[in-house]
Amino acid sequence: EIVLTQSPGTLSLSPGERATLSCRASQPVTNNYLAWFQHKPGQAPRLLIYRASTRSTGIPDRFSGSGSGTDFTLTINTLAPEDFAVYYCQQFGTSPTFGQGTKVEIK
Amino acid sequence: EVQLVQSGVEVKKSGESLKISCQGSGYAFSSYWINWVRLVPGKGLEWVGRIDTNYYYTNYNPSFEGHVTISVDKSITTAYLQWDSLKASDTAIYFCARPAEYSKYSPLAYWGQGTLVTVSS
Repeated sequence: EIVLTQSPGTLSLSPGERATLSCRASQPVTNNYLAWFQHKPGQAPRLLIYRASTRSTGIPDRFSGSGSGTDFTLTINTLAPEDFAVYYCQQFGTSPTFGQGTKVEIK
Repeated sequence: EVQLVQSGVEVKKSGESLKISCQGSGYAFSSYWINWVRLVPGKGLEWVGRIDTNYYYTNYNPSFEGHVTISVDKSITTAYLQWDSLKASDTAIYFCARPAEYSKYSPLAYWGQGTLVTVSS
């Protein structure tokens, strides 16, 4: 099983700042099958990024993903008020797993 | 429009059985896998398993295998997640989700609204 470790656990930032979230895999992620999701309470998770760096349909370009192999990053440029949420990485290979999440909260 | 509509809130006791559902519409149901994902408050998301809705193949997270069963009824475009004997630790919100493309190696682009399952001991 591929274990995904996200850091930091919580990120306290102000609107307009940049958020940088990390996701580290215990072994290389096959074909960069790595996705990022945003989750808000009472809602379903929302797919932001897949294949490590491809934005999903309708996702604003302030969200970007990078990385390959075992180290991946989600960057949110210029945080908007609606971006404060929990973010999860997921590898969607043979036996999918999620990271434990990073909460982006308002400072 | 792709929609996944899940069954409603469930309140059960330990040892009871349960089957929750996820009905797909707005797309060719049998062309896409359906996944189940669990959210335990304060603990994050966990992948439970998935089913090929055309050929009925299933894959399970080893942590859930033997405790849950995923099935599908193509005639009513509905997938199911069931337990024969619930435990208090099964208390969570369960989401069904569909990949973006017809491949199990495709990101989960469409999600149901979630079903809250509460199990008392």
